[in-house]
Amino acid sequence: EAQVTQNPRYLITVTGKKLTVTCSQNMNHEYMSWYRQDPGLGLRQIYYSMNVEVTDKGDVPEGYKVSRKEKRNFPLILESPSPNQTSLYFCASRIAGQETQYFGPGTRLLVL
Amino acid sequence: QKEVEQDPGPLSVPEGAIVSLNCTYSNSAFQYFMWYRQYSRKGPELLMYTYSSGNKEDGRFTAQVDKSSKYISLFIRDSQPSDSATYLCAMSERGGSNYKLTFGKGTLLTVNP
Repeated sequence: EAQVTQNPRYLITVTGKKLTVTCSQNMNHEYMSWYRQDPGLGLRQIYYSMNVEVTDKGDVPEGYKVSRKEKRNFPLILESPSPNQTSLYFCASRIAGQETQYFGPGTRLLVL
Repeated sequence: QKEVEQDPGPLSVPEGAIVSLNCTYSNSAFQYFMWYRQYSRKGPELLMYTYSSGNKEDGRFTAQVDKSSKYISLFIRDSQPSDSATYLCAMSERGGSNYKLTFGKGTLLTVNP
């Protein structure tokens, strides 16, 4: 089944404790992206990657890092999480040259 | 003015009603328009995709784009309880490496049996 998977789905952590949210897609998509979704603010892009070893900032990159060492994986790293990073996070992928994106199931993060 | 405006609702209708969901936008460079449906505790899934102005129909769903008015709509005919979800409009401009999608904030729809 073609899909985007994220792990973990739910995470509670404390301020300053590094964490990684994994994202993997099995559709051989070149483009992958991370979004956060907050009430009243909608979906905002954090980082995106056009292909392996090619990443760039989206609208709200502060406090986040990403890497793209393999085509299928695009982990999101929070080196020192803070409470304002409490949010619902979505990974998405798409084929190069097409606008339609396919989203993962989401990761709900709570930073205490 | 925000790039994409979408009434958050909530919108509650009886089963069988015709539903109209709308977004307005300010960036005249937007050319690709999408509607995503997001069920509670799920990721958004693509519902409709249109390029430039005009209508596109898929079953009970019709997407309409009016670029002259910078206004897009999604119509749902014979609405069903299973249509209860948040509907997000999204749009992008061709050009640039990001093909960045700009989303509306979503409209929460409830269809009551």
